[in-house]
Amino acid sequence: KAGVTQTPRYLIKTRGQQVTLSCSPISGHRSVSWYQQTPGQGLQFLFEYFSETQRNKGNFPGRFSGRQFSNSRSEMNVSTLELGDSALYLCASSLGPRDRGGHGYTFGSGTRLTVV
Amino acid sequence: EDKVVQSPLSLVVHEGDTVTLNCSYEVTNFRSLLWYKQEKKAPTFLFMLTSSGIEKKSGRLSSILDKKELFSILNITATQTGDSAVYLCVVPGAQKLVFGQGTRLTINP
Repeated sequence: KAGVTQTPRYLIKTRGQQVTLSCSPISGHRSVSWYQQTPGQGLQFLFEYFSETQRNKGNFPGRFSGRQFSNSRSEMNVSTLELGDSALYLCASSLGPRDRGGHGYTFGSGTRLTVV
Repeated sequence: EDKVVQSPLSLVVHEGDTVTLNCSYEVTNFRSLLWYKQEKKAPTFLFMLTSSGIEKKSGRLSSILDKKELFSILNITATQTGDSAVYLCVVPGAQKLVFGQGTRLTINP
């Protein structure tokens, strides 16, 4: 079965712009969570969606937002980009938000965002 | 606040050496601990541990959990250059995955 697909793979934006990242989960998975990974901070939780509803949100400013569609695909949007937003953005899909199984969390390859 | 701490943060060894990576955790309502390997982008699943004292093995990799002392170790024997990666320890919390900082393992030929 196809894995988690994130698009685009790479993105270069200038400060002040906005960006939209996409994540298509494994077929049948209904939960998508997003993470920001930087060398200094490691992996930081952004938010989790299940059945088109945001279930949990991490400690990020309101410039970071997301949504989930009826087909479980999720998008993440960052407005008014700052240099510090440069990072690898990973999404993970699972059957549901209470899925604690190790095989239940599958990560995509990420989107590398560079803000200049 | 839930937290996962890994050590060491960085490790450089020679091919053939054995390494032990550590992970300690403080997570409410603990259910499982996961190990992932991240080489370039997508972390790939290695192990899930739920019970104390039961070793999980996959080839040269093995891992064990101590729920009393709240830690886990990941062992890699006869290391190869392909083992070079960041190893992530992850504990599902009540609302999100809680990640350790990762251990960057470098295997020199």
